[in-house]
Amino acid sequence: GESVGLHLPTLSVQEGDNSIINCAYSNSASDYFIWYKQESGKGPQFIIDIRSNMDKRQGQRVTVLLNKTVKHLSLQIAATQPGDSAVYFCAENIRSGGGADGLTFGKGTHLIIQP
Amino acid sequence: ETGVTQTPRHLVMGMTNKKSLKCEQHLGHNAMYWYKQSAKKPLELMFVYNFKEQTENNSVPSRFSPECPNSSHLFLHLHTLQPEDSALYLCASKLRGGTEGEKLFFGSGTQLSVL
Repeated sequence: GESVGLHLPTLSVQEGDNSIINCAYSNSASDYFIWYKQESGKGPQFIIDIRSNMDKRQGQRVTVLLNKTVKHLSLQIAATQPGDSAVYFCAENIRSGGGADGLTFGKGTHLIIQP
Repeated sequence: ETGVTQTPRHLVMGMTNKKSLKCEQHLGHNAMYWYKQSAKKPLELMFVYNFKEQTENNSVPSRFSPECPNSSHLFLHLHTLQPEDSALYLCASKLRGGTEGEKLFFGSGTQLSVL
């Protein structure tokens, strides 16, 4: 079954507001997490990543939070802009205990920015 | 541009045709991947190549045949496909052992339609 999942298939926010996209994972052996953005007609693009020895990591207008206790990952986007409209995927990588090489992806949340 | 180029961007083929998808990366990476992206499903890992050697075949049907002649090029040969194989096929690469962690760089994909 799927190891990484998202709570909402679609999220609609007003331009300028902050948005939070959530992701739940089930494998406690996962030690690396990453968020991708996929715009229509394009492949996934890297946004931000975090290792399991961290709780929070900030980039430009984006913050990733990791709660290992409840196996929860979130992506916060500040002051959303029209260009933020896309599908956002979380993914994990499992280092220990074998398992497939490469990232395991969730289904994605479609973020819609309302003018 | 991500440095990963896929051709063709779109492909329509009949079930008896033979076609090939091509991927080229200009990033100096040493690992390359094929993923399948179907509507409303997570990205599915298909094949992994490390230093031109296949290290992962994620239970992919034999009608999909990968080829990696060198660390910069990756092909996916297709023959006698089924309509359910219609999807976006994504190529990705990464630098194994480098400082970028597990980050994958994706191409824009080939949108495949099987009639």
